[in-house]
Amino acid sequence: AQSVTQLDSQVPVFEEAPVELRCNYSSSVSVYLFWYVQYPNQGLQLLLKYLSGSTLVESINGFEAEFNKSQTSFHLRKPSVHISDTAEYFCAVISNNAGNMLTFGGGTRLMVKP
Amino acid sequence: GAVVSQHPSWVICKSGTSVKIECRSLDFQATTMFWYRQFPKQSLMLMATSNEGSKATYEQGVEKDKFLINHASLTLSTLTVTSAHPEDSSFYICSARTGTGIGEQYFGPGTRLTVT
Repeated sequence: AQSVTQLDSQVPVFEEAPVELRCNYSSSVSVYLFWYVQYPNQGLQLLLKYLSGSTLVESINGFEAEFNKSQTSFHLRKPSVHISDTAEYFCAVISNNAGNMLTFGGGTRLMVKP
Repeated sequence: GAVVSQHPSWVICKSGTSVKIECRSLDFQATTMFWYRQFPKQSLMLMATSNEGSKATYEQGVEKDKFLINHASLTLSTLTVTSAHPEDSSFYICSARTGTGIGEQYFGPGTRLTVT
């Protein structure tokens, strides 16, 4: 069975400060990892994903995440956040033995303060 | 990019009535569509998976007679909440995927259902 744990339900941070949103997964087989962002009253938008290759993946708006197999983690980072980054962030996993189904973590609310 | 729409974006209905929510893939063919439910400040909970032309597969604990899912074409899936009750009030999100392998899911904007 696969599962995803997002250790922080809320992360308050000041504008222009760095941020890390933590994500750990549990799976006994190869995994594919995703970060989604959800703005209030909207659906989910894919932020970035790891399928294979380089373990460091980047988004177009400055976020990056690194797949760490030994630590079963896929933490999301941004060196300098903006007010507009305030949103809910969901880590998700697909593993080969789970019917290619997405399993979501509980979400982390990023609150960027001026 | 791939776009998924949902209609309506929000709906208010009276207890005991039924509500239909549509999910459409606008520029691609969705062999598989998913329906999720999201309570305030919580994560998405998968309700069911539907493949075009076949019956939906419901997750454990989801009443299939209450949440009717139809995936009649490669671009349209509908979720009907039958005999709605206030506890059915939630944010319903659909997503669509092409193929059955490891593929990206494209999410709709969601539908806010309020049952009074």
